[in-house]
Amino acid sequence: KAGVTQTPRYLIKTRGQQVTLSCSPISGHRSVSWYQQTPGQGLQFLFEYFSETQRNKGNFPGRFSGRQFSNSRSEMNVSTLELGDSALYLCASSLDPFSSSYEQYFGPGTRLTVT
Amino acid sequence: DAKTTQPPSMDCAEGRAANLPCNHSTISGNEYVYWYRQIHSQGPQYIIHGLKNNETNEMASLIITEDRKSSTLILPHATLRDTAVYYCIVTNRDDKIIFGKGTRLHILP
Repeated sequence: KAGVTQTPRYLIKTRGQQVTLSCSPISGHRSVSWYQQTPGQGLQFLFEYFSETQRNKGNFPGRFSGRQFSNSRSEMNVSTLELGDSALYLCASSLDPFSSSYEQYFGPGTRLTVT
Repeated sequence: DAKTTQPPSMDCAEGRAANLPCNHSTISGNEYVYWYRQIHSQGPQYIIHGLKNNETNEMASLIITEDRKSSTLILPHATLRDTAVYYCIVTNRDDKIIFGKGTRLHILP
């Protein structure tokens, strides 16, 4: 079974621009979560989607948004990029939040550099 | 804030069992204990989880104390490939998952 895929793997953007990152979950998985990882803050939860609805949201400004499509694929968008948005963005999929096994499977991440 | 406390780093000799402790003294009755690890520059990898009983899979064993306030992840025969940051997480299905700083495990040849 194919794992979680994220595109693109690397991205360089300029301050003020916007960016869209994509995540395809494992086949059959309906829940997708997004995380930001930086050396200073570690792994921080951004948001979780299930059945095209946001279930949970972390403490990030409104510049960070996401959505999930009917096929469970998800995208996250960051508008008006700041230097501090440079990070590894990780996507994780799981079967659904109501199953007895809620383990998450992570993709390789998208490395975003803002200059 | 993370609901767990882990030592920042640990060493283990190759071939020996690595025992990684985690304190979660405020765990609620419906919260599970999950362990993940992250090898440098890769996405975290799920290892194991449990509610109150001890669990074992092909990767590791999870020992949860009777009062559920702490747990230990055991890698029975550590190899150099087990060098990673190990995260202990406590969550129920309705909560967002919060990663702490984890334990950096060094496997020594």
